[in-house]
Amino acid sequence: GEDVEQSLFLSVREGDSSVINCTYTDSSSTYLYWYKQEPGAGLQLLTYIFSNMDMKQDQRLTVLLNKKDKHLSLRIADTQTGDSAIYFCAEMGDDYKLSFGAGTTVTVRA
Amino acid sequence: ETGVTQSPTHLIKTRGQQVTLRCSSQSGHNTVSWYQQALGQGPQFIFQYYREEENGRGNFPPRFSGLQFPNYSSELNVNALELDDSALYLCASSQDLAGGRTDTQYFGPGTRLTVL
Repeated sequence: GEDVEQSLFLSVREGDSSVINCTYTDSSSTYLYWYKQEPGAGLQLLTYIFSNMDMKQDQRLTVLLNKKDKHLSLRIADTQTGDSAIYFCAEMGDDYKLSFGAGTTVTVRA
Repeated sequence: ETGVTQSPTHLIKTRGQQVTLRCSSQSGHNTVSWYQQALGQGPQFIFQYYREEENGRGNFPPRFSGLQFPNYSSELNVNALELDDSALYLCASSQDLAGGRTDTQYFGPGTRLTVL
């Protein structure tokens, strides 16, 4: 089965960069995703990366993928208070379902 | 383009009862997946529906069942509710790809189910 692991908490000062890390075990993963969840809400797709890419940049977001180590990271530049949320890493293998990590709670302090 | 919608927003049931949750997929999407998110955890895959048939199932008992309708909307039914069924139930829609795979999944706001 698939296993996705993330650190549980991250505290960052407003204006600094946040880096959220994730590891996964399924070598057949084709796409890897980052979703954001605010309190009481559903999941918002932030970005995704195809498994044959090393990096993807989208405005303040940078995704790095090390396929050899099965390590994925999300960097948020110039972190704002609105970035406080739970961030989920998810992988999709050769099938139809997403496997999620437990989520990283990001707290942005002034 | 309308996003994924779910109803109801919140629901309170008692142990042993049955519940039906509803989901309308994003326009242009033909596949619906359901996930259960217990408090403090990541979502867990329940099942997926494509062309009105179950297209894969996670580790959930048969009392979790579903339907998909010709307009691609979907229902999740849970019978004989247990306390541990209390969770946020998320629906995600996507477009199918070749080879049994699905494209990026977009989530609705969820239904918060509390079982007393």
